[in-house]
Amino acid sequence: EAGVVQSPRYKIIEKKQPVAFWCNPISGHNTLYWYLQNLGQGPELLIRYENEEAVDDSQLPKDRFSAERLKGVDSTLKIQPAELGDSAVYLCASSLGLAGGSEQFFGPGTRLTVL
Amino acid sequence: ELKVEQNPLFLSMQEGKNYTIYCNYSTTSDRLYWYRQDPGKSLESLFVLLSNGAVKQEGRLMASLDTKARLSTLHITAAVHDLSATYFCAVAPYSGGGADGLTFGKGTHLIIQP
Repeated sequence: EAGVVQSPRYKIIEKKQPVAFWCNPISGHNTLYWYLQNLGQGPELLIRYENEEAVDDSQLPKDRFSAERLKGVDSTLKIQPAELGDSAVYLCASSLGLAGGSEQFFGPGTRLTVL
Repeated sequence: ELKVEQNPLFLSMQEGKNYTIYCNYSTTSDRLYWYRQDPGKSLESLFVLLSNGAVKQEGRLMASLDTKARLSTLHITAAVHDLSATYFCAVAPYSGGGADGLTFGKGTHLIIQP
């Protein structure tokens, strides 16, 4: 069974440029999460989707970050414009929800460097 | 606000020794998870603990959960070099249902030396 797929794996951009990350969750997982992981820290939740609905986006900096999951499967996270402090690893995870003990499976992440 | 604290944050130990990593959390929860992360890699799920008194073991690792003390432990028995990694505990807020996002500790960076 394929795991969570993310692309690109690495992205280097200059500040003020836009950037987008893509995630394909494990088949059948209705719940999708985006996390941000700074160097030496644990992941921090940005947004959670149940199917196509964003049910928890309280930690998403909405002035520059946006996300969508139009058909309840793939998701895109966008930053516009990027700032130096956005350099981090962006992780996507998916879950079966309570049916699976709410266990979350993580993708390989996108490492963003903003110059 | 849910807070998760791990200790120690750094641990260097010799092969063959036993040690325990502690994870404390600040508010009621009955769902706790342990993950492993190797350098430059993503997070690998190790254990899912869903009830008070839950104990799970896989190889040289054993995890337990005490919801009354808001404490989980990850015990390493007879450590081997391959267990060198960063270990995270993560807690879901008690909401009575739903697949909430997790709050992670800062991680324990474990180095096992021959």
